[in-house]
Amino acid sequence: DIRVTQSPSSLSASVGDRVTITCRASQTISSYLHWYQHKPGQAPKLLIYVASSLQSGVPSRFSGRGSGTDFTLTISSLQVEDVATYYCQQSYSNPWTFGQGTKVEI
Amino acid sequence: QVTLTESGPALVRPTQTLTLTCTFSGFSLSTTGMCVSWIRRPPGKALEWLARIDWDDDKYYSTSLKTRLTISKDILQNQVVLTMTNMDPVDTGTYFCARGASVGLDYWGQGTLVTVSS
Repeated sequence: DIRVTQSPSSLSASVGDRVTITCRASQTISSYLHWYQHKPGQAPKLLIYVASSLQSGVPSRFSGRGSGTDFTLTISSLQVEDVATYYCQQSYSNPWTFGQGTKVEI
Repeated sequence: QVTLTESGPALVRPTQTLTLTCTFSGFSLSTTGMCVSWIRRPPGKALEWLARIDWDDDKYYSTSLKTRLTISKDILQNQVVLTMTNMDPVDTGTYFCARGASVGLDYWGQGTLVTVSS
């Protein structure tokens, strides 16, 4: 199985800060890496697909970069409503796998 | 619009078999490229991908759980069913179904909480 490792596991930042989360795959996954936001009691939400494409309706302060094994999710200016746990997920090969999550707090 | 809704028992006894149903609308699982996955989140833990069924009836499972999982689809009823055998308290969590392909899981259900306890 392809392992995807996220860092950090948690972070605390201030409103307006630039926040970056990293995801590393155990082998190359091309650009088949996606990012989700999950708030308690809600369904996870797709933010970024295939590494850098912004899902419709997602604020432009979210962006993704990377290919191969190393990927990043950046929130350019953290907002109160961005408090959540963020996950990366690979769909390059079966079985699909998620990272262990990054909890973002303010 | 696309919607997915999970249903199933809220409480399952250890060793029992769990059966969850995902009822969806707004798309057809007979459309080329379409697929539905099941994902769970145990309390305080990360999302865990469980299984996927594709439009062509290909099926894929989590390596660690594949001996316990079965996924199937009913095209006419617009449903995907997941069964998990030999349930244990560590299987407690919220179970989600989601539509997606290799470009990500773009629509999710609200999830259903399953507690495994005697």
